[in-house]
Amino acid sequence: AQSVAQPEDQVNVAEGNPLTVKCTYSVSGNPYLFWYVQYPNRGLQFLLKYITGDNLVKGSYGFEAEFNKSQTSFHLKKPSALVSDSALYFCAVRAQYSGNTPLVFGKGTRLSVIA
Amino acid sequence: EPEVTQTPSHQVTQMGQEVILRCVPISNHLYFYWYRQILGQKVEFLVSFYNNEISEKSEIFDDQFSVERPDGSNFTLKIRSTKLEDSAMYFCASRDHNRGSNQPQHFGDGTRLSIL
Repeated sequence: AQSVAQPEDQVNVAEGNPLTVKCTYSVSGNPYLFWYVQYPNRGLQFLLKYITGDNLVKGSYGFEAEFNKSQTSFHLKKPSALVSDSALYFCAVRAQYSGNTPLVFGKGTRLSVIA
Repeated sequence: EPEVTQTPSHQVTQMGQEVILRCVPISNHLYFYWYRQILGQKVEFLVSFYNNEISEKSEIFDDQFSVERPDGSNFTLKIRSTKLEDSAMYFCASRDHNRGSNQPQHFGDGTRLSIL
């Protein structure tokens, strides 16, 4: 069975400081990993994905994430946070070559960037 | 950029009534999904759909739920006899089939369903 853990309900960071939102996963075989962001009253907006290859993937709005197979982690990072980054962030996983299986989401981490 | 659109944005219904939530997936996508998010909780998978049939469904997707692609553009979720615990945000998603199974799912803005 697939699962995702986001250990922090809330992350607070000062504007301009680096941010990290943590994610660990469990899946049979190799994973496809995704980060989505949700702004108030909006749907889930795709940020970035890891499929294969380079462990550091870059996505929208200056976000990046590092895949670590030994630690089964896929932490989301940004070198310099903006107030506009404040939102709910979801990590998701599905197994590679798994046909049309759905995404399994973590419970989300609320990021607050303080000016 | 093409988007998944959902209507209505908010639906208020009496318990026991039927509701239909509507979605227009991105036009060249062929994989479709419904998820729900109860307030303050995680996003949960309901059902996936491909080639005019259900691919997979979760335990939540019981006999009161059904999905349909009535024409070439719409994808609907019907809840036959709503219960209080069906109150949630319902998200539709679609995925491009042309470039492999690693493509991300694209989500609509959701329908907030409130059961009274």
